[in-house]
Amino acid sequence: NAGVTQTPKFQVLKTGQSMTLQCAQDMNHNSMYWYRQDPGMGLRLIYYSASEGTTDKGEVPNGYNVSRLNKREFSLRLESAAPSQTSVYFCASRERQGRANTGELFFGEGSRLTVL
Amino acid sequence: QQQVKQSPQSLIVQKGGISIINCAYENTAFDYFPWYQQFPGKGPALLIAIRPDVSEKKEGRFTISFNKSAKQFSLHIMDSQPGDSATYFCAALNTGNQFYFGTGTSLTVIP
Repeated sequence: NAGVTQTPKFQVLKTGQSMTLQCAQDMNHNSMYWYRQDPGMGLRLIYYSASEGTTDKGEVPNGYNVSRLNKREFSLRLESAAPSQTSVYFCASRERQGRANTGELFFGEGSRLTVL
Repeated sequence: QQQVKQSPQSLIVQKGGISIINCAYENTAFDYFPWYQQFPGKGPALLIAIRPDVSEKKEGRFTISFNKSAKQFSLHIMDSQPGDSATYFCAALNTGNQFYFGTGTSLTVIP
């Protein structure tokens, strides 16, 4: 059972280059998320998709775009990479558990991005 | 502005001791409070979670204590083991489907 799969695991970019991080989940979850993790800052939400066909900004959306391609896939695009976007990026998915609004976030193993 | 404040940033505990990590929040719209554990090179994984209508939840050596009036919650790890050495994140979920995470606590358990 693969869970949440992210590609690539590592990437080095030059300032101004563009790239797309791919994420796919095989748990039939409705909601998907992109986070970035920086030392001392914890995990910060970039964008999320509550269900197929919808996307919403999180805490730090500037410089990023997302696409919910279908129920399984949620991609994150950097149009013009900046050194401040050097980070570890995590994709996650979740199925809301009924009216109680619980439901575990399942994370991928991360994509480490360095922008020079 | 950090929606969930977590302390301490790092913690060193002797094997067999109690590890305590604290979190605080302001937004009363939060209604689900999970704790995540992360090992180096891996994604975070759910450890234990609590809803605000419960003051305490225990799963094995891990306990969440929740104080709704103070808007604080904490993770207690009893009989801490070297295998518990990891980074721990508290989080809070609002009704809008957004999780907000604390800044993390790096726990080291010394044998």
